Amino acid sequence: GIQVEQSPPDLILQEGANSTLRCNFSDSVNNLQWFHQNPWGQLINLFYIPSGTKQNGRLSATTVATERYSLLYISSSQTTDSGVYFCAVATNSGNTPLVFGKGTRLSVIA
Amino acid sequence: DAEITQSPRHKITETGRQVTLACHQTWNHNNMFWYRQDLGHGLRLIHYSYGVHDTNKGEVSDGYSVSRSNTEDLPLTLESAASSQTSVYFCASSDTVGTYEQYFGPGTRLTVT
Repeated sequence: GIQVEQSPPDLILQEGANSTLRCNFSDSVNNLQWFHQNPWGQLINLFYIPSGTKQNGRLSATTVATERYSLLYISSSQTTDSGVYFCAVATNSGNTPLVFGKGTRLSVIA
Repeated sequence: DAEITQSPRHKITETGRQVTLACHQTWNHNNMFWYRQDLGHGLRLIHYSYGVHDTNKGEVSDGYSVSRSNTEDLPLTLESAASSQTSVYFCASSDTVGTYEQYFGPGTRLTVT
């Protein structure tokens, strides 16, 4: 099956810094989502982005489907950005279960 | 507002007991999924359903079962709970048209003693 690798596994940032999280996948995808798991365990949808670029406030994401990677940018990080960021993909029609990477644990310190 | 809920949020049970975790969504989504989250493994797929009376096994389905009698609910049953099934369980749903974006419930933390 498809493999999803996220890097880095852990990241510590000073408040206000910028960061880039990477997601590599081993096959073509029709669904790619980024999630933020907050310290209370809730999975929050950030982006649905099988291709192209999207922005939402301080967060943006780019997926280059032909090269099988996606990037999540966090600018001017805040302590509330702390948590685990997951990339998840689905192949075929996209109407299939997600395969998750192991996540990037982000800690933003004041 | 439409939503997806899980109950209970926390449960402690004993080895060998049957346990059922509930998942209910009000989006009228045809697709529903169950995942488990364990340290070091991320989220892994247990079972999923594409509609009423449809069920499919995922990567880690042994010891679990689901049934889909209506669109809104996909309960997950642990037939005989084992300590290896101590985990956090997430239910998700998605539509069959448009983006297929999946939305997750708040999770159920299950401890098997």
